[in-house]
Parts: sequence; structure tokens; C-alpha cells
Amino acid sequence: QVQLVESGGGVVQPGGSLTLSCSVSGITLSRYGMHWVRQAPGKGLEWVAYIKSDGSNKYYADSVGGRFTISRDNSKSTLYLQMNSLRSEDTAVYYCARAHGTGIGHWGQGTLVTVSS
Amino acid sequence: SYVVTQSPSVSVAPGQTARITCGGDNIGSKSVFWDQQKPGQAPVLVVYGDNDRPSGIPERFSASSSGNTATLTISRVEAGDEADYYCQVWDGSSDWVFGGGTKLTVL
Repeated sequence: QVQLVESGGGVVQPGGSLTLSCSVSGITLSRYGMHWVRQAPGKGLEWVAYIKSDGSNKYYADSVGGRFTISRDNSKSTLYLQMNSLRSEDTAVYYCARAHGTGIGHWGQGTLVTVSS
Repeated sequence: SYVVTQSPSVSVAPGQTARITCGGDNIGSKSVFWDQQKPGQAPVLVVYGDNDRPSGIPERFSASSSGNTATLTISRVEAGDEADYYCQVWDGSSDWVFGGGTKLTVL
């Protein structure tokens, strides 16, 4: 059974940094592309970033490009999202998700990031 | 960038059929994924691609697309189907896009 467990969320001041982790079990992580998706309070889903199975390609939403970095350590079955220069509008639940074909097939439970002074 | 639009809400009586649409330029040529999200929970994929369902998803959930519209159909709607539904599409390049979500209310 696939399990995706996010961690690292919390409260951070504007301009600060935070790194999220996603521990993956039940699958061989190296076989799958992975995504980060976020959801601001009371709002819809917003795709954030994607990384190919071997880490060779990475893509970002325009809203986070240049500030966020997605990475992975397949040997540790872990996905990461390094977030810098955080803004209030980055406040959201962040989900890690496994790719399925051209879409998203399986979601974690999410971790809340709050950017506030 | 590619844009997809959904109606904000749909209401249906139990036992009836709900149809939730997702509009986008030539979306019929793309692989559309549909997620269900209940309050306080993570999204769950219910239908994807050419009307495929992950294991555990009832056959009552089906999807189709043509032209500029993709449709999620929920037959014999139950109270437990009440949720937000999102369509997701890959633009074919480097961007994944979600619709704004449709709130399904079971009357």
C-alpha cells in the first residue's frame, strides 16, 4: 500500500525559509515522477512543482519559480521541497503526490505551512 | 498558460446522476484526471485518462471528454459522494493545471 507522509510544516516569518519532506513507502520511489501541490485555506488546488523519477528534470509553477526547489533522494525514499523567500500567499497545506502517467495518481495527507509575522 | 474552468457548484438528489464539467481549449485531446476531496481530507483520484478508475473506486464514477469539455459523471449519487471535485490536466509541456473545483451537494 502506497504511503506518502509529509513533514516539516510550521509557522515561518515572511522572507524566511522552510524545507518540507515527504517519506514514501509501499513503492520504489525511483520509478516515479513526483509532485508538490498546495491548497491555501478555503481555496482550490494549485500545482507547485514536479521532479522526474531520476531527478533529471524539474518544473515549477510561475508563482514559486526561483524561490522553491524540488529534490529527491531515492536511496532514502524521500522527496523534498526547499522554500525560500516565503510570502504570506504561500500559506497553504502542501501535499506531496505520486505521478501517474501525465497526471497525479496518489496523494499524501499534507502538511500546513503558515507564513506570518 | 493553459486554463481550465469548472462550475462552482452542482446539486443533485440521492439516486440521481451528477455531471461535473471541466472546460479548456481542446481538452478532449488531453488526458484529464478527476479528484474527489472531502472536507478536511486529502484529495483522492477517482477517474483518469480514458475513463479508468483506481482500484476501490466504484463503477458509478465515469468520465468522458470531447472538444472543449470534459465531464465527470456520478451515477446513482449517494450522500457520501458530497465533496469538492477537481479536474487536473497536463498542458503537454511543463505545467500541470487544476480547475477551480466544483462543490457537489447531495440534496
